[in-house]
Amino acid sequence: QVTLKESGPVLVKPTETLTLTCTVSGFSLSNARMGVSWIRQPPGKALEWLAHIFSNDEKSYSTSLKSRLTISKDTSKSQVVLTMTNMDPVDTATYYCARILYYYDSSGSPNYYFDYWGQGTLVTVSS
Amino acid sequence: SSELTQDPAVSVALGQTVRITCQGDSLRSYYASWYQQKPGQAPVLVIYGKNNRPSGIPDRFSGSSSGNTASLTITGAQAEDEADYYCNSRDSSGNPGVFGGGTKLTVL
Repeated sequence: QVTLKESGPVLVKPTETLTLTCTVSGFSLSNARMGVSWIRQPPGKALEWLAHIFSNDEKSYSTSLKSRLTISKDTSKSQVVLTMTNMDPVDTATYYCARILYYYDSSGSPNYYFDYWGQGTLVTVSS
Repeated sequence: SSELTQDPAVSVALGQTVRITCQGDSLRSYYASWYQQKPGQAPVLVIYGKNNRPSGIPDRFSGSSSGNTASLTITGAQAEDEADYYCNSRDSSGNPGVFGGGTKLTVL
């Protein structure tokens, strides 16, 4: 079965860099048309997509956070790593990794969806 | 950038039908996907594409789209359907980067 699990620090200080790891099982990071996304959710607030990486190493980032994010993968270890620099208390959130798939609809446009999610890891930014 | 707008809260009587909507310009070109989130749990995909349900999702969940509005319909709502529901679609950059603000569904 497909599983994803996030790991990383539960507490980081302002200005520090956050490094999160998503370890996947049940599928390969080299499978076509699938990849891994990072999504976060501040307490009591909505979901926010951060970044994704596909099997062909295609990467995309949230426009508003692009300068602070880096996503990478190690296919042999089945891991996807997200780093976020210059952490601030407003970055306090539960961080999820999710498998992302894309498909082409009848008009030929690629569409995406997130079919499996990790349990999430709460990261608190505080001095 | 593109935005998706959802009603913050909707209620439905047990066994009745409820429609949760999501509005945004990107929905004129791309399908929405829908996620159910219960307190303290990760989101779960319930609808994607034109009207596709992942394995294990009850057939009382269905999706539709018209113009700039995508809808999630629950026909015969059950107590266990009480949750937050989020829509997602692509943003103006083509990324799967936009989530709606979420709709809290209460089953009365």
